[in-house]
Amino acid sequence: AQSVSQHNHHVILSEAASLELGCNYSYGGTVNLFWYVQYPGQHLQLLLKYFSGDPLVKGIKGFEAEFIKSKFSFNLRKPSVQWSDTAEYFCAVKRRAAGNKLTFGGGTRVLVKP
Amino acid sequence: GAVVSQHPSWVICKSGTSVKIECRSLDFQATTMFWYRQFPKQSLMLMATSNEGSKATYEQGVEKDKFLINHASLTLSTLTVTSAHPEDSSFYICSASNGRVDTEAFFGQGTRLTVV
Repeated sequence: AQSVSQHNHHVILSEAASLELGCNYSYGGTVNLFWYVQYPGQHLQLLLKYFSGDPLVKGIKGFEAEFIKSKFSFNLRKPSVQWSDTAEYFCAVKRRAAGNKLTFGGGTRVLVKP
Repeated sequence: GAVVSQHPSWVICKSGTSVKIECRSLDFQATTMFWYRQFPKQSLMLMATSNEGSKATYEQGVEKDKFLINHASLTLSTLTVTSAHPEDSSFYICSASNGRVDTEAFFGQGTRLTVV
């Protein structure tokens, strides 16, 4: 079974719509959580990260994510998307007990229609 | 954020030849480097983890004799695809970490390998 799950493979929405991408993981113990974005033809960029503290994390470009420990979830949100948010989004989990290696979810391809 | 440089960005090689991909951390010491492979329209799959000065740890199903990893210094790791075949064509991405648990790893720009 996949250890990091992103529920939506493809999302299509219009500009100004709100976006929420789901991410669940199945590890116990201490984890660090990340969302990365990959724009067409470009390399991975970090959107935001959670290590500790406030479970509501704000990242770049108006994105935020909420860590809900009881649900093993770290969903990504943006209140109003732009055409330039068209990209692939990856959730990733780092397990302290596994040598700090990252495990990625399957990715969600987001298309924002102008 | 810190800078990780990967070279080359793309390479085309003939079947049966070997290709070396370099991953450099430009402004920090990378005690750990990770190598990923990304197939078209798929996620990143971890191939191996390398710690400076020691042998790499390969993920299940990854052939260590085919994907040779060297991490001889705190700023450089290399991945050599030996005797490449068309099925090795893929996007290879490295990331580097300073080993601290409270910081993220930084990614290189990736190398697109095409074996013809």
